[in-house]
Amino acid sequence: ETGVTQTPRHLVMGMTNKKSLKCEQHLGHNAMYWYKQSAKKPLELMFVYNFKEQTENNSVPSRFSPECPNSSHLFLHLHTLQPEDSALYLCASSQVQEAPYGYTFGSGTRLTVV
Amino acid sequence: AQTVTQSQPEMSVQEAETVTLSCTYDTSENNYYLFWYKQPPSRQMILVIRQEAYKQQNATENRFSVNFQKAAKSFSLKISDSQLGDTAMYFCAFIVSGTYKYIFGTGTRLKVLA
Repeated sequence: ETGVTQTPRHLVMGMTNKKSLKCEQHLGHNAMYWYKQSAKKPLELMFVYNFKEQTENNSVPSRFSPECPNSSHLFLHLHTLQPEDSALYLCASSQVQEAPYGYTFGSGTRLTVV
Repeated sequence: AQTVTQSQPEMSVQEAETVTLSCTYDTSENNYYLFWYKQPPSRQMILVIRQEAYKQQNATENRFSVNFQKAAKSFSLKISDSQLGDTAMYFCAFIVSGTYKYIFGTGTRLKVLA
């Protein structure tokens, strides 16, 4: 399968639940990203991984915990979220961390916290 | 601060007509790249067109072209012969050369009418 695949597509979770978002790419890219997309706001960069090493944590609350076991997979572990965390979470990848040619995005996980 | 402003939250155009989406940005850097991304209802962000700031010639990709005015920090997208499949959110973005943080706008929702 080509491109960037994100699962699940939709997720509803309670504030006390623990869940994980998964992102997978087989493009041979070395950099992967988590973005948060909320209505009427610019995309917010959350985390950046380059060659499996985290290179950016954009002041994200600790209730979001990323994991990058290899260059093809990226996870976002969620626990004790708040309703304001409801959003579309997008994963992206690029050949290199400095991405002058743009990203390849996944289709996102629509997260609803109840 | 580096910002992107898309002043048109929503637009509509008749099929086969031409529409222009506006984008202005602010940066003190001289070397950067500009992008337009399309996000259809499927939610996957797709790169539409890319412009290198050091190039004066406007980028073109089939029915999509840009009007890049570096001094004015303006980067508008023109869609010719609009098609129903062009219905989507359109995001303007830029990245400074040698960095990995994209700056996105808030998007313009375009609806193509039959």
